[in-house]
Amino acid sequence: DAGVIQSPRHEVTEMGQEVTLRCKPISGHNSLFWYRQTMMRGLELLIYFNNNVPIDDSGMPEDRFSAKMPNASFSTLKIQPSEPRDSAVYFCASKKTGENTEAFFGQGTRLTVV
Amino acid sequence: AQSVTQLDSQVPVFEEAPVELRCNYSSSVSVYLFWYVQYPNQGLQLLLKYLSGSTLVKGINGFEAEFNKSQTSFHLRKPSVHISDTAEYFCAVSPGGYNKLIFGAGTRLAVHP
Repeated sequence: DAGVIQSPRHEVTEMGQEVTLRCKPISGHNSLFWYRQTMMRGLELLIYFNNNVPIDDSGMPEDRFSAKMPNASFSTLKIQPSEPRDSAVYFCASKKTGENTEAFFGQGTRLTVV
Repeated sequence: AQSVTQLDSQVPVFEEAPVELRCNYSSSVSVYLFWYVQYPNQGLQLLLKYLSGSTLVKGINGFEAEFNKSQTSFHLRKPSVHISDTAEYFCAVSPGGYNKLIFGAGTRLAVHP
C-alpha cells in the first residue's frame, strides 16, 4: 500500500486566496483525521470522519475552514479566505475504526500564507 | 476530558547514552497509549503502542515504554541512543469508547556525538 497520500506537499498562497488540501487514505481504513501542526500549538486535531461522515469538528478553528469526504478514498480541507496565521503543516491520517488501532499519517502539506 | 502532558519539550543527550522521555495522561476512562516519532519534514510514524497485557511494551528501533496505571504514565526509554534517533517524539492516548488520538506537545530529542 502506498500509505496516506497528501497533496500538494507545499503550498504558498496569498492572503485572501482559497486553499484546498487533499488526502487519499489507506484503502480499507474508514476513519480519517485532519491535524494541524504549528510551533506554538503543537499537533491539533481539526476534524475527523468515520465512514465518510464528520464525527467531531470541534477543532476546526473558524468558519473559514471546511472539510469534506465525498467518498471513502478522498478528503479535502479547504480554507477560504486564507490568512497568514493559517500557515502550518497540515497532516491527514487514517485508521481502521476502533479505539485500539493506530493512525497512519501522510507526509503533510506545508502551507505558507503570505 | 482527556489530556496528555509531555514533561520535557527538549532532551539533549550524547550518543550511546540512555534516554527517557516522559509522558503523563489524564482520563476518566481507560485509554490506549501510543508513541509516535516524527523525523524532520516527515509525517508521524508509530513507535509502539500499549493496548493491554504486559505493561512493558517494545517497539521499533530499540525503544520501549512502560505503562504505569497508578501514576498515569507511559514513559519512553532507550538504553543507548544513536545520532539517527534525533527527532520529535509524541505521546498519544486513545480514550476508551472514542475513535480519536489526543497528542501531547511533543519532545524534541537531540542526540549529540
